[in-house]
Amino acid sequence: NAGVTQTPKFRILKIGQSMTLQCAQDMNHNYMYWYRQDPGMGLKLIYYSVGAGITDKGEVPNGYNVSRSTTEDFPLRLELAAPSQTSVYFCASSNPGGDYGYTFGSGTRLTVV
Amino acid sequence: GQQLNQSPQSMFIQEGEDVSMNCTSSSIFNTWLWYKQDPGEGPVLLIALYKAGELTSNGRLTAQFGITRKDSFLNISASIPSDVGIYFCAGGGSSNTGKLIFGQGTTLQVKP
Repeated sequence: NAGVTQTPKFRILKIGQSMTLQCAQDMNHNYMYWYRQDPGMGLKLIYYSVGAGITDKGEVPNGYNVSRSTTEDFPLRLELAAPSQTSVYFCASSNPGGDYGYTFGSGTRLTVV
Repeated sequence: GQQLNQSPQSMFIQEGEDVSMNCTSSSIFNTWLWYKQDPGEGPVLLIALYKAGELTSNGRLTAQFGITRKDSFLNISASIPSDVGIYFCAGGGSSNTGKLIFGQGTTLQVKP
């Protein structure tokens, strides 16, 4: 059982480049989330989705975009990367009506130079 | 927006000691959860609490959901080296989206 799979694990981007962080889950969870983690700041919600075709902004959505065409996949798109987007990104999923326990991926460490 | 204040920010303790950390908020939550993050990995759920006043244990870990619904604590008894990591509290249950608000984390280091 793979759970939540994130790719790539590491990436270095130049300022102004774009990229897509991939996230896939095989648990048939309806709810999916993208968080960023900065040292001493905890986890901040970027975007979330409660089902295929439905997405909404979280606390820090600027500079990012998402899509949810299937239940399994929830990619995060960075357009025009900036140094402020240097962070560790985590994707998570959960089941509505369940125990609110997220299953997290292992993260993508992104550096923008 | 909603915020969680988690303390302490970091702890450096001797193996065998007990550890206590807590989380407070100005907002009410219907669910409190505690996660642990090992280096290079995503957070993993340790304990989930769903009722005010609830006290739940998971091995050497004990967590409580505060009566006011605005706080929670986590205790670790008889710490061991593999307890090293970052511990996060999270509050949720105030919407139907499953969204969680996370604390800033407590970094725990254990000296053998």
